[in-house]
Amino acid sequence: KNEVEQSPQNLTAQEGEFITINCSYSVGISALHWLQQHPGGGIVSLFMLSSGKKKHGRLIATINIQEKHSSLHITASHPRDSAVYICAVSGNTDKLIFGTGTRLQVFP
Amino acid sequence: NAGVMQNPRHLVRRRGQEARLRCSPMKGHSHVYWYRQLPEEGLKFMVYLQKENIIDESGMPKERFSAEFPKEGPSILRIQQVVRGDSAAYFCASSPTRGGYTFGSGTRLTVV
Repeated sequence: KNEVEQSPQNLTAQEGEFITINCSYSVGISALHWLQQHPGGGIVSLFMLSSGKKKHGRLIATINIQEKHSSLHITASHPRDSAVYICAVSGNTDKLIFGTGTRLQVFP
Repeated sequence: NAGVMQNPRHLVRRRGQEARLRCSPMKGHSHVYWYRQLPEEGLKFMVYLQKENIIDESGMPKERFSAEFPKEGPSILRIQQVVRGDSAAYFCASSPTRGGYTFGSGTRLTVV
C-alpha cells in the first residue's frame, strides 16, 4: 500500500463544475503539499499546509490531521485547470513522498 | 528572482555516455532536492543536499549516480554509463529552510 493515496486517478468535468480531489496518507507528516503539473511541463507548488484550510483564487485546500486526509477543491473549473494534481507529504526528513497524481480534464 | 533553473530542458544520450543535469536554486535557497519521474510513474525522491553536503541520498541508486552542490555554482546530478531505464524527467526543487519548495521545469533525459 502506498504511503500517499489519491483519488480519483482520472477525472473529467465540464467547465464550471466544482471539483474535489482527495488525498490520504499513512505516515506522520510535518506538512502536506498540493502540486500541479501540466503535460510535459514543470511542477508548480499550489499549497503547503499543516492544518486547517487555505484558499488561493478558485483553489481551496483542506487538511484533517486526525483523519490523515486532505482535499483539493477547484471552484468554477476552467479548461486551463486541466493538469495532473499531485499530493505530497513531508516529514521530519524533509523529502517529499508523492501520490501518483490525479489527471484532470475540464471540457468547455 | 528567476526561480529554480534547470538545464538542459531536454537531453539525449546514447547508452554508456554520461549525463550531467544542472540545477540553480532560487536566490537565498540553500536546500536542494532531486526527484525522478519515470514514464507513467509518480515522482520519487533521489537526494537532498545543502551547500557542500549531502544530507540524504537514500533514494539515489548506489551505482552510476552522484550528486553535488558546491559552494559556488549549481547543483549537479551526474549519471554515468546511462542505460535506457534512466530515461525519465528529473526535477530539482529548492527551499530556503525546511519545506516551502519551489520546483524547476525539469530535465527530460532520453537514452537511445
